[in-house]
Amino acid sequence: GQQVMQIPQYQHVQEGEDFTTYCNSSTTLSNIQWYKQRPGGHPVFLIQLVKSGEVKKQKRLTFQFGEAKKNSSLHITATQTTDVGTYFCAFPNYGGSQGNLIFGKGTKLSVKP
Amino acid sequence: NAGVTQTPKFRILKIGQSMTLQCTQDMNHNYMYWYRQDPGMGLKLIYYSVGAGITDKGEVPNGYNVSRSTTEDFPLRLELAAPSQTSVYFCASRVLPEGYTFGSGTRLTVV
Repeated sequence: GQQVMQIPQYQHVQEGEDFTTYCNSSTTLSNIQWYKQRPGGHPVFLIQLVKSGEVKKQKRLTFQFGEAKKNSSLHITATQTTDVGTYFCAFPNYGGSQGNLIFGKGTKLSVKP
Repeated sequence: NAGVTQTPKFRILKIGQSMTLQCTQDMNHNYMYWYRQDPGMGLKLIYYSVGAGITDKGEVPNGYNVSRSTTEDFPLRLELAAPSQTSVYFCASRVLPEGYTFGSGTRLTVV
């Protein structure tokens, strides 16, 4: 079935360092979404990427969608302790007519102050 | 708007017991979903609904049932609870093409 590989599984950084997580698919994706889940919390929608090569920014977060629409990345510049959590990518299942999303396994980010 | 409300937040069940996890949304979203989250395993889709009266199975439906009699409510029923159903359950809703809005989750332990 459809799936994405999300790497790394864990990332430990010093506060102020940059962080990047990647999602890689073997098939072309119609779009990709990113979510953040704080420890003990629920996933929160961050952004959706639709176009080939698309780049979107939210303050210190930069999201990219690959030219072939098979991979995506989330980059955080100068991490802060508030960035701690697990970041998930998600994409539509079988074209998305039912709105279902398949989630990657997530990258768990810890930030040492 | 309250968004997506899930109850209860925590529950301990004994093997073989049954329970219903409640999910209500006040955003008039047609699409609703139930996911379970096990440690390190991401989120797996249990059931979903594209509107009142319409439900369908997701990736891991065994041991669960759902109903969707109104746009607002999408309860998840566990029959004959098993330890393998120990997990965190999230309800979500959306309006296409926006992202999901998740509830705060129900932490279920089956002993």
